[in-house]
Amino acid sequence: KAGVTQTPRYLIKTRGQQVTLSCSPISGHRSVSWYQQTPGQGLQFLFEYFSETQRNKGNFPGRFSGRQFSNSRSEMNVSTLELGDSALYLCASSLLADTQYFGPGTRLTVL
Amino acid sequence: DQQVKQNSPSLSVQEGRISILNCDYTNSMFDYFLWYKKYPAEGPTFLISISSIKDKNEDGRFTVFLNKSAKHLSLHIVPSQPGDSAVYFCAASEVHAGNMLTFGGGTRLMVKP
Repeated sequence: KAGVTQTPRYLIKTRGQQVTLSCSPISGHRSVSWYQQTPGQGLQFLFEYFSETQRNKGNFPGRFSGRQFSNSRSEMNVSTLELGDSALYLCASSLLADTQYFGPGTRLTVL
Repeated sequence: DQQVKQNSPSLSVQEGRISILNCDYTNSMFDYFLWYKKYPAEGPTFLISISSIKDKNEDGRFTVFLNKSAKHLSLHIVPSQPGDSAVYFCAASEVHAGNMLTFGGGTRLMVKP
């Protein structure tokens, strides 16, 4: 089976812009979760989608949003980018509420 | 409030010896624990997991031990190999609450030839 794929792998944006990141889960997996990794805060949970519904949400501002499509593919959007949003954004998929398998991540740099 | 802590930021071990990575948690509702290995600029790779109904789980060179009363888990790697050098994260979740992993800060393992 193909693993979790994320596009794009690298992205450079400027402050105030918005960005959309995409994630394709492992075939058959219905749960997609997003995480942010920064040197200062480590790996932090953003949100989880299961069957197109947001099931959990982490402690991030409303500028961070996401959605899931009927084929389980997911996108996350960050609006009004700030310098502090520079991070590695990771997507993970799982069958149900069990082991999560991560994609390679999208490295976002905000200038 | 850090609910999952890895108190050793780094660990150096000789090739062939045992590596022991430790993790402590505070939330007694956590019932599923995982270890991931991560290289820079890559996603975490799943290594091994354990449910709170068990106290040990083995997979090849990797063994995870869970001590619920102490809220402590550890990952043993035997024998350690240079290719094991990476950052190791422990993570925990409440299965009934869905997929929300809380991660520790990571431990950098260096295995010297």
